[in-house]
Amino acid sequence: EVQLVQSGAGVKKPGESLKISCKGSGYRFSDYWIGWVRQMPGKGLEWMGIIFPGDSDTRYSPSFEGQVTISVDKSINTAFLQWGSLKASDTAVYYCARRDSGWTIDYWGQGTLVTVSS
Amino acid sequence: QSALTQPASVSGSPGQSITISCTGTSSDVGGYYLVSWYQQHPGEAPKLMIYEDIRRPSGVSIRFSGSKSGNTASLTISGLQAEDEADYYCCSYAGDTTLLFGGGTKLTVL
Repeated sequence: EVQLVQSGAGVKKPGESLKISCKGSGYRFSDYWIGWVRQMPGKGLEWMGIIFPGDSDTRYSPSFEGQVTISVDKSINTAFLQWGSLKASDTAVYYCARRDSGWTIDYWGQGTLVTVSS
Repeated sequence: QSALTQPASVSGSPGQSITISCTGTSSDVGGYYLVSWYQQHPGEAPKLMIYEDIRRPSGVSIRFSGSKSGNTASLTISGLQAEDEADYYCCSYAGDTTLLFGGGTKLTVL
């Protein structure tokens, strides 16, 4: 069974750094792209970017380029999303999701709630 | 790139059929056979309901179907049931490793 399990919720202050994780299991992790999606409170889904664990090839949505860093450690089947300096507007649920062999997102993590508040 | 356009809300009574539209451009919806639809219940992760415009994943009810004409894709739910009440999002490949989501549609089962 394909599963993506994300790290737990976090509360941070503006200016702090944060790295959240997404661990894949039940499939060959290196062979499938992993993407990240933001959902701000009460809002819709936004595509942030994607990484290929096999070679760490990473692509960002223009809206998120320079705002976050996507990385991966294929030795532990885990992808990461990190911020160097959080803002209150980064408060959201962040989902990792697997891209199938085409361009469909077929499996999603359970989501990680990030709250940034002073 | 702007989000795909969906109606903010739709509603229907149990047993009825409803259709949710998703309008994009020839650079996304109309340019590829790569529109997918997701169902999201409150507090849960999205769930894939339709992919590649018209395909239904195993385990998804046959009451859910997808179609597309030009730059507009549609999700139809027939025989509405109470558990169908949720938010629905369309998503399209938009080239250059980018995906675009619609703004989401809240389905209310009356």
